[in-house]
Amino acid sequence: AQSVTQLGSHVSVSEGALVLLRCNYSSSVPPYLFWYVQYPNQGLQLLLKYTSAATLVKGINGFEAEFKKSETSFHLTKPSAHMSDAAEYFCAVSNSGGYQKVTFGTGTKLQVIP
Amino acid sequence: GAVVSQHPSWVICKSGTSVKIECRSLDFQATTMFWYRQFPKQSLMLMATSNEGSKATYEQGVEKDKFLINHASLTLSTLTVTSAHPEDSSFYICSAGSGSGSYEQYFGPGTRLTVT
Repeated sequence: AQSVTQLGSHVSVSEGALVLLRCNYSSSVPPYLFWYVQYPNQGLQLLLKYTSAATLVKGINGFEAEFKKSETSFHLTKPSAHMSDAAEYFCAVSNSGGYQKVTFGTGTKLQVIP
Repeated sequence: GAVVSQHPSWVICKSGTSVKIECRSLDFQATTMFWYRQFPKQSLMLMATSNEGSKATYEQGVEKDKFLINHASLTLSTLTVTSAHPEDSSFYICSAGSGSGSYEQYFGPGTRLTVT
């Protein structure tokens, strides 16, 4: 069984401020972890993924996430928010070892205040 | 690379009719495709997994006779919503995997279905 919990359905930050979106996972086997971004009425775009290599993963648009096994966390961060970062962010987990079902979190809507 | 398209991007149909949504992998062969449903302001729920040339595997609670999935080739999967009702109105998203070893899914842009 696997699950993802995203803390905070809405997060507001000022432009230029640190972005921190929280994600905790549960998995009975070593997980693959993903962060996706979704703009209104669009599909999902992969920001970054963890697949058991480096625990600090760098993604697109200046985002990064750190896999912390002891905390079962995979929080997403960006040092300085930009207006274009306003979107819905989904954390997701799948089991390692082939195509497995991907389970998505409930999403966090990021608002960037000018 | 790794582009997935969906057609149509939005469709309005009358209750009782059927609607077909296409999902295509444009620059790679997709051995596995996935269909998701997303209700407004909610997360994605996996409906089914389809492998080329075989029957789709449906998630618990998804009516296989209502949501017909066909994965006839390595670049095309279709979802047909049969006898659509207003409660079937939703955002449908497909994803495709290339099986290249990364096990990453590439998502289509989604199809907005409205049943009147």
